[in-house]
Amino acid sequence: DSGVTQTPKHLITATGQRVTLRCSPRSGDLSVYWYQQSLDQGLQFLIQYYNGEERAKGNILERFSAQQFPDLHSELNLSSLELGDSALYFCASSPGGGRTDTQYFGPGTRLTVL
Amino acid sequence: AQKVTQAQTEISVVEKEDVTLDCVYETRDTTYYLFWYKQPPSGELVFLIRRNSFDEQNEISGRYSWNFQKSTSSFNFTITASQVVDSAVYFCALSEAYQGTSGTYKYIFGTGTRLKVLA
Repeated sequence: DSGVTQTPKHLITATGQRVTLRCSPRSGDLSVYWYQQSLDQGLQFLIQYYNGEERAKGNILERFSAQQFPDLHSELNLSSLELGDSALYFCASSPGGGRTDTQYFGPGTRLTVL
Repeated sequence: AQKVTQAQTEISVVEKEDVTLDCVYETRDTTYYLFWYKQPPSGELVFLIRRNSFDEQNEISGRYSWNFQKSTSSFNFTITASQVVDSAVYFCALSEAYQGTSGTYKYIFGTGTRLKVLA
């Protein structure tokens, strides 16, 4: 158990809908990262937050947004969902987000868009 | 561009065989970090090891060992006496400085190697 929690574990929804994925980092970690794992794209970095502020953006679509709250949990919002958004979404956390950090991953949320 | 290559898409071995998973990386950084993660069928990503570019000592942890060779930009992972529970997808990753930011790093993952250990 990495100490990172993600809810829900599974999510099934329809095209055009909006969903919110939630992540709680390990105790003491200030950085939260979101990744998308799909069959054709592999593991892709989406976005990073550090202590409530956006730190870096990766391959995140404009339909997607995220935030990190004062208690350091984070939410990833996916809207106007398309079939291609079906994937496993991981949250990871690390103490500071620097080069030496190890990212610890949560169990993931499997999103299925029908 | 910085990247990580895991050329072996899938490997099948019989239990108790040794198996090596290859990882080759490209980076312009002089200081960098490499990682291995395991993704079992349950789906979670489990951290296995972190290695910095200045430490070329091989590391052994039980049946797992890692061979880091800076000269060939490789960070290979060997499982000795494989077991069925080792069946998983294994990812190699490189910590890369994120463009346009200061002190922000993200992981570049390889495409993974699926290891099947047969009883």
